[in-house]
Amino acid sequence: QSVLTQPPSVSAAPGQKVTISCSGSIGNNYVSWYQHLPGTAPKLLIYDNNERPSGIPDRFSGSRSGTSATLGITGLQTGDEADYYCGTWDSSLSAGVFGGGTKLTVL
Amino acid sequence: QVQLQESGPGLVKPSETLSLTCTVSGGSFSSHYWSWIRQPAGKGLEWIGRIYTSGSTNFNPSLKSRVTMSVDTSKNQFSLRLRSVTAADTAMYYCARDLQVWGALFDYWGQGALVTVSS
Repeated sequence: QSVLTQPPSVSAAPGQKVTISCSGSIGNNYVSWYQHLPGTAPKLLIYDNNERPSGIPDRFSGSRSGTSATLGITGLQTGDEADYYCGTWDSSLSAGVFGGGTKLTVL
Repeated sequence: QVQLQESGPGLVKPSETLSLTCTVSGGSFSSHYWSWIRQPAGKGLEWIGRIYTSGSTNFNPSLKSRVTMSVDTSKNQFSLRLRSVTAADTAMYYCARDLQVWGALFDYWGQGALVTVSS
């Protein structure tokens, strides 16, 4: 059982916007978000709650409020269909933790 | 461009030890945290643990009693050993670079190594 809670699935139509929440043992540490396509390695989308690595389009955004974080994706494309994970450091466990993952379907 | 490559047996017998090595190329190996992460089929990502290039480690509490990690800075490699494996340890195992002390910022990942635990 993950210490970070994500919705199991979200869906939206192409061109629309979707948000994915992540809540739980975030504490004061930064949150990162990852996109995981089948058969590939996970890809870093957001770090430090709201920063994008080079090459990640600004359609992807991150925000943080208290013990919750949110990933936003605008202008949805069929290629965005993937599993999305939040991750952070749990200071009480001295361990990295991931959310359970959210499957995004672009209808 | 940093590249990571996992290597090791794809099949391990129950009760034996799973051993994987990650070889890093194309960037600085020293002064970084290096992590192992796994994903059982149909399930989410699970952080196994990490090792700093000095040799200090952090482990997932649920796996801590069975996990050992080591680092060889002369070869730009780090390794995972998981003892007393069961079918529940069957998973895709990824190695990754972790840039944060108090975070989970994995910027580079290996392609993954599928390990099956079966007799």
